[in-house]
Amino acid sequence: AQSVTQPDIHITVSEGASLELRCNYSYGATPYLFWYVQSPGQGLQLLLKYFSGDTLVQGIKGFEAEFKRSQSSFNLRKPSVHWSDAAEYFCAVGGNRDDKIIFGKGTRLHILP
Amino acid sequence: GAVVSQHPSWVICKSGTSVKIECRSLDFQATTMFWYRQFPKQSLMLMATSNEGSKATYEQGVEKDKFLINHASLTLSTLTVTSAHPEDSSFYICSAAGTGVHEQYFGPGTRLTVT
Repeated sequence: AQSVTQPDIHITVSEGASLELRCNYSYGATPYLFWYVQSPGQGLQLLLKYFSGDTLVQGIKGFEAEFKRSQSSFNLRKPSVHWSDAAEYFCAVGGNRDDKIIFGKGTRLHILP
Repeated sequence: GAVVSQHPSWVICKSGTSVKIECRSLDFQATTMFWYRQFPKQSLMLMATSNEGSKATYEQGVEKDKFLINHASLTLSTLTVTSAHPEDSSFYICSAAGTGVHEQYFGPGTRLTVT
């Protein structure tokens, strides 16, 4: 069965510091992978997605993620965080066109001034 | 980009009453819509998938008679929580897909509080 693991429930970084949020997935075939961000009381915004091709994916707001098949990982990175990046981040995995998308439990990012 | 709206954004209702939540795709035709439920500080749990003009497919453990889903047009899906109870209080989020499930666009969510 497909699943997504985000091992860090909370992460705190200083403003201007680099960020990496971890995501590991389990899926029987080539996965479709997503990162979403959710601000308090809001819906989800897609940061980036990987379907195929280049394993380093660029997204919005300066985020990028790298698909590593050998490690079943899709970690999200940002070289320098801003206070406005404080939010909940969800990694998600899907399969073929008819598969549903499964979300990880999320990582809450806190930014220190 | 594709925009999905939800109405209302928040609602308070009394136990035993029913409440309807609307999900609209504003600038594209949504052949498939999804309804999720999110408890505080938790992830999104898929409740059901609806395709325009056909019955919704509910996930295991979701009561279809309690959470009525209608997808009558390519731009509108509704979720009706019937005979609501305090345990139904949650954040309900819809998403819509035009060309395939992997192009889901999410609504802003509806906060339901049952007193």
